[in-house]
Amino acid sequence: QSVLTQPPSISEAPRQRVAISCSGSSSNIGNNAVSWYQQLPGQAPKLLIYYDNLLPSGVSDRFSASKSGTSASLAISGLQSEDEADYYCATWDDSLNGMIFGGGTKLTVL
Amino acid sequence: QITLKESGPALVKPTQTLTLTCTFSGFSLTTRGVLVGWIRQSPGKALEWLALIYWDDDKRYSPSLKNRLTISKDTSKNQVVLSLTNMDPVDTATYYCAYSSGSYSSIWFDPWGQGTLVTVSS
Repeated sequence: QSVLTQPPSISEAPRQRVAISCSGSSSNIGNNAVSWYQQLPGQAPKLLIYYDNLLPSGVSDRFSASKSGTSASLAISGLQSEDEADYYCATWDDSLNGMIFGGGTKLTVL
Repeated sequence: QITLKESGPALVKPTQTLTLTCTFSGFSLTTRGVLVGWIRQSPGKALEWLALIYWDDDKRYSPSLKNRLTISKDTSKNQVVLSLTNMDPVDTATYYCAYSSGSYSSIWFDPWGQGTLVTVSS
């Protein structure tokens, strides 16, 4: 069981908006930068969000993220079938003295 | 352009030591703030961070695997090597290396290598 808690799965219709939560603690999300990754089937993870809410160059602005206290959230608007993937949050944990990943959320676009 | 590629055996036997190499280009591990990390993913499971090594040879390991892991770098070859001892079938996974820079409080991995699948079986 991961230190960062994400819902195992979420589904939504095309063109709708969805939010994926990532819950942690003061030793990780509460004190360090959160990043988000998209993993398409059979592919390596790809950085979606860094430093809590910043988009790397080339990432669609349909993706956004926020952080409040010890929780973070990734939002995807205007859902498309190509967004079907696994999504992971990650951050540094001061107590574990290492990186941690959430358990991942499988997004299904209905 | 930064690229990384993992290499190593596709099949190892239980109790053996796994040695994986991450060969990279587009950056130098002598540049201040740069680091390379290793992450693995068992089939159908979540990502699991394993280890990272900084430009100044500072190293961090997953607490759950610390006794079995060793990470090192060869800056002349642009390579990072990860060793995992006493392999077990539960260590069957795709192993990724990835680039990052910055301090521990602000690490994100981008880009990632394509990954290499390692199966542990007798």
